[in-house]
Amino acid sequence: SQTIHQWPATLVQPVGSPLSLECTVEGTSNPNLYWYRQAAGRGLQLLFYSVGIGQISSEVPQNLSASRPQDRQFILSSKKLLLSDSGFYLCAWSRLAMNTGELFFGEGSRLTVL
Amino acid sequence: AQSVTQPDIHITVSEGASLELRCNYSYGATPYLFWYVQSPGQGLQLLLKYFSGDTLVQGIKGFEAEFKRSQSSFNLRKPSVHWSDAAEYFCAVGAPGTASKLTFGTGTRLQVTL
Repeated sequence: SQTIHQWPATLVQPVGSPLSLECTVEGTSNPNLYWYRQAAGRGLQLLFYSVGIGQISSEVPQNLSASRPQDRQFILSSKKLLLSDSGFYLCAWSRLAMNTGELFFGEGSRLTVL
Repeated sequence: AQSVTQPDIHITVSEGASLELRCNYSYGATPYLFWYVQSPGQGLQLLLKYFSGDTLVQGIKGFEAEFKRSQSSFNLRKPSVHWSDAAEYFCAVGAPGTASKLTFGTGTRLQVTL
């Protein structure tokens, strides 16, 4: 069966510090990978998605970047965090072949920028 | 561009009562429609999905949803709510053929009183 792991689960960082959130998927190959951010009362906002190694699409301009160094690894990064980067970050995957549109989510990473 | 509206931010129901959560979408053709549930501090779990065919869709945990094209709606229902159903519910719309780039509503928080 497929599983998705995110870490760290909770992170408190000062403004201006770097960020690295990691996500890995097991039990499947060639998945589509996604980073969503959830802010209170604003639903989920798609930040990045990837259909393959090294292929990253950005949905909104922001202070964050994403990378996919391996097929089942997706990393969210920032060189200098802003207060507005605080939120709940969710990694998700979907099937590339026979894509039904369904997303499978990780447990999330809560980032607080002080 | 596709969009989703969940008009109810917060709903409170008594245990055993029926439930209906509203969802309206905007999309030029027949979209893929989803309902996800999120427990506090957790990722999202798929409740049910609609792609085509029968407009009444059954999901997990006793939930169902009905696609009404004329009203651009995909309301979620449950005949008898359990205390464990307290969570946040998200409706999402996706365009067929895309890399699962779902657009989510802002969510409805369900509180269940005993």
